[in-house]
Amino acid sequence: SQQGEEDPQALSIQEGENATMNCSYKTSINNLQWYRQNSGRGLVHLILIRSNEREKHSGRLRVTLDTSKKSSSLLITASRAADTASYFCATDKVDSSYKLIFGSGTRLLVRP
Amino acid sequence: GAGVSQSPSNKVTEKGKDVELRCDPISGHTALYWYRQRLGQGLEFLIYFQGNSAPDKSGLPSDRFSAERTGESVSTLTIQRTQQEDSAVYLCASSSRDRGVGYTFGSGTRLTVV
Repeated sequence: SQQGEEDPQALSIQEGENATMNCSYKTSINNLQWYRQNSGRGLVHLILIRSNEREKHSGRLRVTLDTSKKSSSLLITASRAADTASYFCATDKVDSSYKLIFGSGTRLLVRP
Repeated sequence: GAGVSQSPSNKVTEKGKDVELRCDPISGHTALYWYRQRLGQGLEFLIYFQGNSAPDKSGLPSDRFSAERTGESVSTLTIQRTQQEDSAVYLCASSSRDRGVGYTFGSGTRLTVV
């Protein structure tokens, strides 16, 4: 079953603009992670935010986490055509296993 | 190895045949995961191995699916009597036991059942 749901399902922006993707989840988590997927193959880990953190930065990426609303957002600033990909959130639920549950993803298109 | 290696990268099989997919994780990663991704969809958890513990098989969709892992090395995912609905990309990932790090994914095996 899906734990994380991304919003929007698809996003099209102009190069240089910012892209914001949201993720909602249902149960308590240890951490939430964002991944990127090009061309429907392997995923690349972007950033991990722990349940006791509210905001994290990595280069042009900014992730926020609101555990009271069970939601997270991924902001990509100054987007580039090379950022075109699908982005997935994944949650590490509070249980005995380290098993990530992925959302359905946001397809981002950055137009040159 | 330097990354997670999956083979074959593509597999076309006839309905009813059995297939074996292989995953070679990063050396030293105790955890190994299999996911399935249908076209245009998210990742569906299949099975999780952690060291010598009993695997978490809760995501396997039917008894036609099985997986093995020898110690902390290679894993094989076997699909028996394949059906067209099994067509998907099968992704393998590995990680250390530390919950503060993410997964490293392989490039996947694209399975097409005709």
